[in-house]
Amino acid sequence: NAGVTQTPKFQVLKTGQSMTLQCAQDMNHEYMSWYRQDPGMGLRLIHYSVGAGITDQGEVPNGYNVSRSTTEDFPLRLLSAAPSQTSVYFCASSSISSGRNYNEQFFGPGTRLTVL
Amino acid sequence: AQKVTQAQTEISVVEKEDVTLDCVYETRDTTYYLFWYKQPPSGELVFLIRRNSFDEQNEISGRYSWNFQKSTSSFNFTITASQVVDSAVYFCALSGYTSGTYKYIFGTGTRLKVLA
Repeated sequence: NAGVTQTPKFQVLKTGQSMTLQCAQDMNHEYMSWYRQDPGMGLRLIHYSVGAGITDQGEVPNGYNVSRSTTEDFPLRLLSAAPSQTSVYFCASSSISSGRNYNEQFFGPGTRLTVL
Repeated sequence: AQKVTQAQTEISVVEKEDVTLDCVYETRDTTYYLFWYKQPPSGELVFLIRRNSFDEQNEISGRYSWNFQKSTSSFNFTITASQVVDSAVYFCALSGYTSGTYKYIFGTGTRLKVLA
């Protein structure tokens, strides 16, 4: 079990560039989400998904797109990067239906993104 | 709307002192879950505990204990005889279905510094 994997671990972009942060989980979890972590702001929810084909916005969705074509993958797209998107990004997944770890969020190692 | 408040931004204690981290939540759901996560300096997010809204029993795990009180909407976390290795950012989180949508939100975190 790899758990939740994220790539890349570090990324530097120039303003206006686009990129996709990858997230995958092998636990067959229905719920997947993306957070950004900024100093003093905690973890803020960007987008989330309760299953393949279903996504919804969190607290801070502007500037980000997501899709969920499979249960395993939940990529986060930055269409035109801005310095305000400099942050650490975490992907997470959880089972919301059943199981011993019901509702526990499993986090990826994070992606540190800098936008110049 | 759901909300998690961690009013303590940063706490410093001397090793072996007891320390309590406060968490106050708001939700209209009757069924919900509360969590605590630890983020050590290495950056990963580590699950500590899950509590559902129907279980107000306090829990103890080694030096860690949790006090859940629905009457005051609080889920406080106490570390007894703190150690330097407890230095981390601690997040309280809440999950539940709000307006038919499952959501998982975090507080802004409390940074704990345990001094030798």
